[in-house]
Amino acid sequence: GAGVSQSPSNKVTEKGKDVELRCDPISGHTALYWYRQSLGQGLEFLIYFQGNSAPDKSGLPSDRFSAERTGGSVSTLTIQRTQQEDSAVYLCASSPFGGVGTDTQYFGPGTRLTVL
Amino acid sequence: DQQVKQNSPSLSVQEGRISILNCDYTNSMFDYFLWYKKYPAEGPTFLISISSIKDKNEDGRFTVFLNKSAKHLSLHIVPSQPGDSAVYFCAASGSGGSNYKLTFGKGTLLTVNP
Repeated sequence: GAGVSQSPSNKVTEKGKDVELRCDPISGHTALYWYRQSLGQGLEFLIYFQGNSAPDKSGLPSDRFSAERTGGSVSTLTIQRTQQEDSAVYLCASSPFGGVGTDTQYFGPGTRLTVL
Repeated sequence: DQQVKQNSPSLSVQEGRISILNCDYTNSMFDYFLWYKKYPAEGPTFLISISSIKDKNEDGRFTVFLNKSAKHLSLHIVPSQPGDSAVYFCAASGSGGSNYKLTFGKGTLLTVNP
């Protein structure tokens, strides 16, 4: 079956511009996660959506970052007024149930964001 | 403050030999540990996991060992194959309300030479 898909695969933008990154989770998965991987670093948790519950936004690094999940499916991560330190690979994952660490997270291929 | 550490950025082994990847953690609240494997231009894929109530979990050529007292886990791959060449991430989650959050190490690049 189809896995997690993300678009675009690569995005180059100028400092100060806004960007939107899209994630299509596996159909039927209730939980959706965003992580980012900066150069030479591990994956860093950003935000978590589970069903109709309020999202856990505790990992968002600043108020320039926001995310939404429409209809319990597709999610968009928006970065406003991009800065060079936002350059990273942004990874989306989904899992069947959410709520516990034992629920396997399936990752998309990521969006490589470069801010010039 | 890195809570999950993979101190070896890279490891090179011969085909057929054992690969041992190591991971240390500092947060005693972690109770579930995972290994993910990542090929270039792809997302990480789940490989194997272990609960803190166990000290060993085996799946085919892959075995994960957990030493809670030392806050250390390792992934053994036997025998290693060229297709195992990838970046391996150690990850952990904790008990409590936000145990869906995974904390990742920086990864170890494994190269298996034919």
